[in-house]
Amino acid sequence: RKEVEQDPGPFNVPEGATVAFNCTYSNSASQSFFWYRQDCRKEPKLLMSVYSSGNEDGRFTAQLNRASQYISLLIRDSKLSDSATYLCVVRDQGGKLIFGQGTELSVKP
Amino acid sequence: EPEVTQTPSHQVTQMGQEVILRCVPISNHLYFYWYRQILGQKVEFLVSFYNNEISEKSEIFDDQFSVERPDGSNFTLKIRSTKLEDSAMYFCASRSGTGAAEAFFGQGTRLTVV
Repeated sequence: RKEVEQDPGPFNVPEGATVAFNCTYSNSASQSFFWYRQDCRKEPKLLMSVYSSGNEDGRFTAQLNRASQYISLLIRDSKLSDSATYLCVVRDQGGKLIFGQGTELSVKP
Repeated sequence: EPEVTQTPSHQVTQMGQEVILRCVPISNHLYFYWYRQILGQKVEFLVSFYNNEISEKSEIFDDQFSVERPDGSNFTLKIRSTKLEDSAMYFCASRSGTGAAEAFFGQGTRLTVV
């Protein structure tokens, strides 16, 4: 089983759509959880941390279910500028980040 | 806003040559990392560095690789004898170390081995 597994994608959606990304992780002792965004051939950039209580930042909502080792990201009212690859990332006990393979999102006019 | 800087942005080298990739982490950060991303693949952990020593390394980080923090500001990754399969984006990252602090990534060095 992959350490961090994401929907394979790509997702092609119209502007204004709501899109959901799912992710599972295998190590139950994982410490912290994040969604990063990566634009083509650029560095990963933190989109948001994910907390057990769920958290929201504008159009973005992230949720964590530790019992089922599941992480999600919801983007509402998607914009053209949301087009990117979304990376589910987990920090292990040692502090290193473990990345999922990413899900590509393409928002069309 | 403080940032992690990497040089060069692109390095082309011949197979068998040594390369040094340079990073300047954010100044008050304590944990430093190198990751790589082969084109079309996921970001992979190479090595973490804390308190002037390697704290963890992956299977990829074999004897051909080494890291140094020579002067308290730079953090370097050396590949002694490059192979074609070392071609990738190499990202440096740093973290302050407090709690769930996020890691900040440099813009990367694209290494092309020919």
